[in-house]
Amino acid sequence: GDSVTQKQGQVTLSEDDFLFINCTYSTTTYPTLFWYVQYPGQGPQLLLKVTTANNKGISRGFEATYDKGTTSFHLQKASVQESDSAVYFCALPNYNVLYFGSGTKLTVEP
Amino acid sequence: GPKVLQIPSHQIIDMGQMVTLNCDPVSNHLYFYWYKQILGQQMEFLVNFYNGKVMEKSKLFKDQFSVERPDGSYFTLKIQPTALEDSAVYFCASSLAGTGGRTEVFFGKGTRLTVV
Repeated sequence: GDSVTQKQGQVTLSEDDFLFINCTYSTTTYPTLFWYVQYPGQGPQLLLKVTTANNKGISRGFEATYDKGTTSFHLQKASVQESDSAVYFCALPNYNVLYFGSGTKLTVEP
Repeated sequence: GPKVLQIPSHQIIDMGQMVTLNCDPVSNHLYFYWYKQILGQQMEFLVNFYNGKVMEKSKLFKDQFSVERPDGSYFTLKIQPTALEDSAVYFCASSLAGTGGRTEVFFGKGTRLTVV
């Protein structure tokens, strides 16, 4: 069945470092792909989405490209801030269920 | 932006007792969901609900679980009886359309359930 995989459970960076969070997906269709972010004490909230394969989504300095060739949807940011510390989820919808990857906890140290 | 409200934020309950988690979804949304999160990471789908009916449920949605939304009021998750392994944070979510499309799903802040 459809699924998303995030291999990094935790990432620790310093402010202004480059961020790369890995996400790969498996699907027989070409659904919209999502990144959600969860700040401490909150529920997940939409960070960005890409509806069309081979397009890029950009939001708040984060970007992700829906790469049909490599079945990847990696999240990147050129320069992270302490306020970006959160858990990041790659997500894929299937019919009426939104499936989440296992999440990557980002800690940004000052 | 649109908000999903969850009541209570924390609940401590004795094992074997019944608990009801309440959710006030975004007002014009039609699809409702419950997710379970353990240890602050993996978001596990439990159930979705549309037009007064459960559409799909996962293996985590045990027989002791039930959902309803009587007369457009709170969307509730009831667990009866509770077990120690039910301790987790439960997130309610809603969306305007089904997730098969491009729609955004909005999540509440969660209810932390502790079964002792």
